[in-house]
Amino acid sequence: RKEVEQDPGPFNVPEGATVAFNCTYSNSASQSFFWYRQDCRKEPKLLMSVYSSGNEDGRFTAQLNRASQYISLLIRDSKLSDSATYLCVVNYGGSQGNLIFGKGTKLSVKP
Amino acid sequence: NAGVTQTPKFRILKIGQSMTLQCTQDMNHNYMYWYRQDPGMGLKLIYYSVGAGITDKGEVPNGYNVSRSTTEDFPLRLELAAPSQTSVYFCASRTDRVSGNTIYFGEGSWLTVV
Repeated sequence: RKEVEQDPGPFNVPEGATVAFNCTYSNSASQSFFWYRQDCRKEPKLLMSVYSSGNEDGRFTAQLNRASQYISLLIRDSKLSDSATYLCVVNYGGSQGNLIFGKGTKLSVKP
Repeated sequence: NAGVTQTPKFRILKIGQSMTLQCTQDMNHNYMYWYRQDPGMGLKLIYYSVGAGITDKGEVPNGYNVSRSTTEDFPLRLELAAPSQTSVYFCASRTDRVSGNTIYFGEGSWLTVV
């Protein structure tokens, strides 16, 4: 069974805090990984892809650990506008092109 | 940049009625998906398609049907609507490259069955 597990939260943090989310996946054949952001009553939107070497985009850093089968997202200097649900997405590839979504981790950044 | 377009955005159905949610994309993507998201829950895959003429069931296909006659369009049909189908429905598409691809979502269709 292909599964993607996330801590649902909520994570309640003050502005300026650093917060980290983890996501574990069950299938070692997974081929690509993403973090999506979903605002309340909106569609999910790509935040960043996750590469084996790790990658950074401004205040956001994503890392992949294939041996332990988890990916992480680190947000530094949290802003009020970072409040959202963060979805971990795993692409198992193959002819079916199957994408598995985690249930999401809710982040609330407070003043 | 139209991307993925869904209609209608909001709809109220009576129990037993049928309707079709329309989805079209202009990115020439082969892969298209229909998800539903219940309040406070994650996305659940209803149906997906890897190209025109090819569809397959996802995790929760019961009560739904799809077709894929063209690359652009992937309508979702609800037959005999039930209250359990009250949800937000997202259509999505992506390329068929194995890695580095991005899935694009429509803005969602809010459906209430009463």
